[in-house]
Amino acid sequence: AQTVTQSQPEMSVQEAETVTLSCTYDTSESDYYLFWYKQPPSRQMILVIRQEAYKQQNATENRFSVNFQKAAKSFSLKISDSQLGDAAMYFCAYRSARDDKIIFGKGTRLHILP
Amino acid sequence: NAGVTQTPKFQVLKTGQSMTLQCAQDMNHEYMSWYRQDPGMGLRLIHYSVGAGITDQGEVPNGYNVSRSTTEDFPLRLLSAAPSQTSVYFCASTRGRSKKNNSPLHFGNGTRLTVT
Repeated sequence: AQTVTQSQPEMSVQEAETVTLSCTYDTSESDYYLFWYKQPPSRQMILVIRQEAYKQQNATENRFSVNFQKAAKSFSLKISDSQLGDAAMYFCAYRSARDDKIIFGKGTRLHILP
Repeated sequence: NAGVTQTPKFQVLKTGQSMTLQCAQDMNHEYMSWYRQDPGMGLRLIHYSVGAGITDQGEVPNGYNVSRSTTEDFPLRLLSAAPSQTSVYFCASTRGRSKKNNSPLHFGNGTRLTVT
């Protein structure tokens, strides 16, 4: 069975600085999809960024980028120029291309220090 | 579009009572799923479905039943509620295997369930 591990329960970063959230996963599949979701205090889940495993190029969305290392099964999220609105829980998610199942890690709570 | 509609928003049950959490989506998504969110545990998959008539167990299926008689609806049933089922529940949907699987999940607003 696949698993997703987020080893940092909480992190803090100064406003305007850069922070990296880590995510590792375990799978025997070669084809899958990876996602980062953000959950602010409103509890709403918001897609941050996504990556297809067959693509070597790292995905980027404005200030958000990933470092996807398929061999190491690592999928970290880098947030540049951190803003107060980035404060939230961040979840890493894995989608199997075989059975479509989508599982999440335990999350990292990100604090932005003014 | 309404997206994913989840009801109720809040519910208090006594141990042993049963209830159904409703979930409906109007986006013609094949994939639907239920998660529970507990502090420090992230979102854990309870059950999921890849299409009408098809359901499968997730990571924590015990104590929960689901059915998928239509594409739109995916109710979650608690047959005999236990305090360990106190949690926030999310329903989510997305395009299925026949479509682009990098499609994101669309979430309902969640149900806060307390079992006393």
